[in-house]
Amino acid sequence: QLQLQESGPGLVKPSETLSLTCAVSGGSIISTDYYWGWIRQPPGKGLEWIGNIYYTGSTYYNPSLKSRVSISVDTSKNQFSLNLSSVTAADTAVYYCARPYYGLLGGMDVWGQGTTVTVSS
Amino acid sequence: DIQMTQSPSTLSASVGDRVTITCRASQSISTWLAWYQHKPGKAPKLLIYKASSLESGVPSRFSGSGSGTEFTLTISSLQPDDFATYFCQHYNSSPMYTFGQGTKLEIK
Repeated sequence: QLQLQESGPGLVKPSETLSLTCAVSGGSIISTDYYWGWIRQPPGKGLEWIGNIYYTGSTYYNPSLKSRVSISVDTSKNQFSLNLSSVTAADTAVYYCARPYYGLLGGMDVWGQGTTVTVSS
Repeated sequence: DIQMTQSPSTLSASVGDRVTITCRASQSISTWLAWYQHKPGKAPKLLIYKASSLESGVPSRFSGSGSGTEFTLTISSLQPDDFATYFCQHYNSSPMYTFGQGTKLEIK
C-alpha cells in the first residue's frame, strides 16, 4: 500500500524559503498514471492546491503562487520536494503531499497526514 | 476562476440518518468533481471521483451525484466512523484544482 510522508522544518522565518520533502513508500514514484502534488490548508481556511510534478520533472503550479513555488522530483530517492520562497505569515498552514491522478482519471487517491509549518520570527 | 461553494458548513446528525452535502460550482464543470473525508490529524480520504464513481474500498453507503454546477454527496445511513469533515474538489486536465470550504459533520 502506497504511503506518503511529509518532512521539513516546522518553523520558518519571514522572507526565507520553506522547504518540504514528501517520501513515497510502498510504490514507485515513476508512474504514468499519476502526478505528485502539494496542497495546503491555512488555519481556519479551506484547502489550496500548490502544484504538481510528473515523474519526468514536468511541473504545474497554481497561478496565485507560481512566482514563489518550485517543485522537484528525485526518482533515485523516491521522493519529491516543495520550495516556497519569500514566505510571510500568510503561508502558515498544514502542508500535505498527495498523489493526483494524471489527466481526468480522478482526484487525489493518496495523501500524507500533513505537516504544520509556521512562519514567524 | 471557478469557485466551489459547499453547504451547509456544519451539519448535525445521528447514527442511522441519511445526510446530504451540496457543492456548487460558479460555472459548469461537467462531472469533474471529487469528494473527500477528512479527520483531524489524518490523511484525507478520496470517496468519490468523476462526481459519482465510488473509489475502491469505500463503503456503498456513500454516493455522489450531479453534473454541471450542482453536486451532492449522500451518506445513506450514518455510521459512527463517518463523523468528519467532507470537502469537494473540482479538477481539470490543466491540471488545476479548486476545493470547497468543507462541511463538518457532527454528532447530534
